[in-house]
Amino acid sequence: NAGVMQNPRHLVRRRGQEARLRCSPMKGHSHVYWYRQLPEEGLKFMVYLQKENIIDESGMPKERFSAEFPKEGPSILRIQQVVRGDSAAYFCASSQDSGVQETQYFGPGTRLLVL
Amino acid sequence: GESVGLHLPTLSVQEGDNSIINCAYSNSASDYFIWYKQESGKGPQFIIDIRSNMDKRQGQRVTVLLNKTVKHLSLQIAATQPGDSAVYFCAENYGASGSARQLTFGSGTQLTVLP
Repeated sequence: NAGVMQNPRHLVRRRGQEARLRCSPMKGHSHVYWYRQLPEEGLKFMVYLQKENIIDESGMPKERFSAEFPKEGPSILRIQQVVRGDSAAYFCASSQDSGVQETQYFGPGTRLLVL
Repeated sequence: GESVGLHLPTLSVQEGDNSIINCAYSNSASDYFIWYKQESGKGPQFIIDIRSNMDKRQGQRVTVLLNKTVKHLSLQIAATQPGDSAVYFCAENYGASGSARQLTFGSGTQLTVLP
C-alpha cells in the first residue's frame, strides 16, 4: 500500500519562475492537505482540498499561490513568480475522510529552493 | 559569522533511558491531538494520537498524556533507541463540524539519543 507520494522531491527555481508541486494521496484517500515548513519550524497549514473542491484555503497567501485537486490525477500546488521567501519544504498529507479525529498521513515533501 | 534564527528545543538522552517530550497547545477547543516524528529530509510520521475525552493512551513503547486543564501534552518514549533520534512535533486538530480539519503544529523538539 503506497503512501502519499510527492514529486519532485527537490525543485530549484529562479526568481520570477513558476513552481508546480504534485501530490498523489494514499490509495482510498480523497482528502488532501498542503503544509509549508520553514527551517527549524513546525508545519503551517495552507489549504485543504477534496476532489474538484477547495474546502479551506485560509492558510494560503492571497497572491501567487493556487491549489487544485482534479477529478483525475494528483493534487497540484502552484506558485507563480516565485520569490526567495518561498524557499521551504512543502508537504502534502491525505486522509480517508474529514471526520472528527481523522489521521493525516504525510508525504516526503518537496524542497523548493528559489535562487 | 554567526547565524541568527530560531533554534529547536533539544533533548539528549542515553540509549535505553526513557524520554519525555512536552508540548503546550493553544486552543482549548481542540479535540484531537497527534504526535509526529520527523527525521531529517523526510515528512512527518504518525506516532500516536489521543482524543480530548482521554487523558492517557499507550502504544508500542510510547505513551501520550493529555492535561486539558493546563493545555499540556507529553510524549513518553520507553527504552529510547538510536532510531528514535528525530524532531518530534505535537499537533492539534480542530474545526467546526463538517469543515476542514487543519492541523496546527507546535515548534518541535529535537531528540538526540546518545550511545
